[in-house]
Amino acid sequence: ETGVTQTPRHLVMGMTNKKSLKCEQHLGHNAMYWYKQSAKKPLELMFVYNFKEQTENNSVPSRFSPECPNSSHLFLHLHTLQPEDSALYLCASSPLGAGGLSEQFFGPGTRLTVL
Amino acid sequence: AQSVAQPEDQVNVAEGNPLTVKCTYSVSGNPYLFWYVQYPNRGLQFLLKYITGDNLVKGSYGFEAEFNKSQTSFHLKKPSALVSDSALYFCAVRALYGGATNKLIFGTGTLLAVQP
Repeated sequence: ETGVTQTPRHLVMGMTNKKSLKCEQHLGHNAMYWYKQSAKKPLELMFVYNFKEQTENNSVPSRFSPECPNSSHLFLHLHTLQPEDSALYLCASSPLGAGGLSEQFFGPGTRLTVL
Repeated sequence: AQSVAQPEDQVNVAEGNPLTVKCTYSVSGNPYLFWYVQYPNRGLQFLLKYITGDNLVKGSYGFEAEFNKSQTSFHLKKPSALVSDSALYFCAVRALYGGATNKLIFGTGTLLAVQP
């Protein structure tokens, strides 16, 4: 295991539901990331947090709302999603420093299906 | 703009044979390159990276990659493939303005299928 856990592993929701994805890392890292993985497409970086502060929002629609209460936990709140939002959502973490060249450690992902 | 290309959607190889998964890149400035592997129903796992120094980089599970500046390539290789190597492989390059975080730009992935 990589030291990054994600819950739930699978989620099915309707377009009017509100749900949250959770990520937790036990590696002492200070940077955390949300990615979206869709078939036949490159991984899409959604959000980046450094020391709990959001440093990157990659033009993500507002129906995705991230939250980082501390350096070990990251949430992705979902509201009024669309079927095209169905994908694997991956969380990752990395240490800061080293010139920003440290590798990222990924969780197993949450498979989201929007009906 | 920074980008990586993985020209093959799938690579098929027989067990015991050498394997190569191709990656080419386009960057401004020095390239910082990474390979990750994704097994079914799992997240990505780091294999190796090139930052500077020796063009041949050795990584996990017997994989290595060769950095070729003139061809702007960073192909992943293994001398003898195992069935357990079957997975999805991603090449990535660090974004130019990643700042303190390692903001990565990923390729579309190459599915490696090793036949027994």
